[in-house]
Amino acid sequence: AQKVTQAQTEISVVEKEDVTLDCVYETRDTTYYLFWYKQPPSGELVFLIRRNSFDEQNEISGRYSWNFQKSTSSFNFTITASQVVDSAVYFCALSGLNDYKLSFGAGTTVTVRA
Amino acid sequence: KAGVTQTPRYLIKTRGQQVTLSCSPISGHRSVSWYQQTPGQGLQFLFEYFSETQRNKGNFPGRFSGRQFSNSRSEMNVSTLELGDSALYLCASIRDSLLTDTQYFGPGTRLTVL
Repeated sequence: AQKVTQAQTEISVVEKEDVTLDCVYETRDTTYYLFWYKQPPSGELVFLIRRNSFDEQNEISGRYSWNFQKSTSSFNFTITASQVVDSAVYFCALSGLNDYKLSFGAGTTVTVRA
Repeated sequence: KAGVTQTPRYLIKTRGQQVTLSCSPISGHRSVSWYQQTPGQGLQFLFEYFSETQRNKGNFPGRFSGRQFSNSRSEMNVSTLELGDSALYLCASIRDSLLTDTQYFGPGTRLTVL
């Protein structure tokens, strides 16, 4: 069984602060994918990033960066210099290599205040 | 390229009725997944279709069913509606190559059962 845990329920920051979202996962699969999705108030889930379990290189994409550590089963996500438009619920998700069933965490609500 | 479209966007039904929701995937995408999102249970996988065949199914009662047409469009049906079926129903579209592709979500259908 797969399980994703997002311990932070809500995070509130002032604009331009950095925000780091924690994600811990459990899976018996040796290969898998990890995702971060954003859900603004409109409801649509917006894809942000995807990571393969066999590639632990951490990257930066614009204001987004992520820290994948297989040894601790963690896949943390950081928004640098947050903006009001970043206010949303952020979900961490996990799927098998050839399995389109996504297991989601409970989500973290991020509020960025001007 | 047009995104995933879902119709209707909002729906109000009463207990005992049935409902059909529709999802049109991104052009060229062959797989469609459905998810239910509720405040209590979060995002849960319902089922996934590829080439008109259900490939994967979540842990939901038989009242929840779906199908996929030859043009990849998909419908899901919920019979004998219960109050607990009130939720945001999200459809995701996947291109489906040999490796797991990213799932792109539609705006969802918000179902309210009275």
